Amino acid sequence: DTEVTQTPKHLVMGMTNKKSLKCEQHMGHRAMYWYKQKAKKPPELMFVYSYEKLSINESVPSRFSPECPNSSLLNLHLHALQPEDSALYLCASSQAGFNYGYTFGSGTRLTVV
Amino acid sequence: QKEVEQDPGPLSVPEGAIVSLNCTYSNSAFQYFMWYRQYSRKGPELLMYTYSSGNKEDGRFTAQVDKSSKYISLFIRDSQPSDSATYLCAMKGQGAQKLVFGQGTRLTINP
Repeated sequence: DTEVTQTPKHLVMGMTNKKSLKCEQHMGHRAMYWYKQKAKKPPELMFVYSYEKLSINESVPSRFSPECPNSSLLNLHLHALQPEDSALYLCASSQAGFNYGYTFGSGTRLTVV
Repeated sequence: QKEVEQDPGPLSVPEGAIVSLNCTYSNSAFQYFMWYRQYSRKGPELLMYTYSSGNKEDGRFTAQVDKSSKYISLFIRDSQPSDSATYLCAMKGQGAQKLVFGQGTRLTINP
């Protein structure tokens, strides 16, 4: 299994809603990442988890809250988002040590209304 | 100046042509170089991964790294319409947790 699976594929939420994005991998990777991608731009790093511990937070607003319940799962909890947060949210994973290619999921396309 | 520069294109070539995609970078600490292909509304797909200088071939794709010039390339031979996508170069230093991306080049292969 060489996949990173993200759910849901599409999400529309209001600015007062609370929702969660989910990511799962079964490749034994111990590093997992959340990226945000706007149209015609490269992915921007949001968070890095290494061995289930948060190791990088790229100054992301607190309305985005990551969680890594175990080595296979990564969640991104969303609360009180703004319309400018609408984007493709990508999860990725890699082997520990970081000197390897990253495998990306297909992403969740989020629209905030 | 951005750490990684990549011509955003768009680049349009006829089917069967050889395509050359390039990135330059300024950080001499970068040692790991990747090329990703991203179809519209999909996540990036890792095409090639190389360490340090040299060439690496995989089917119709060849990745080339010239660390002395801080220049990397991806060549696509016998290009197909299915190769139409955005190609992103990405790179990182030893043990670095953050991947630095180029802006991406939009490529169209015309039948």
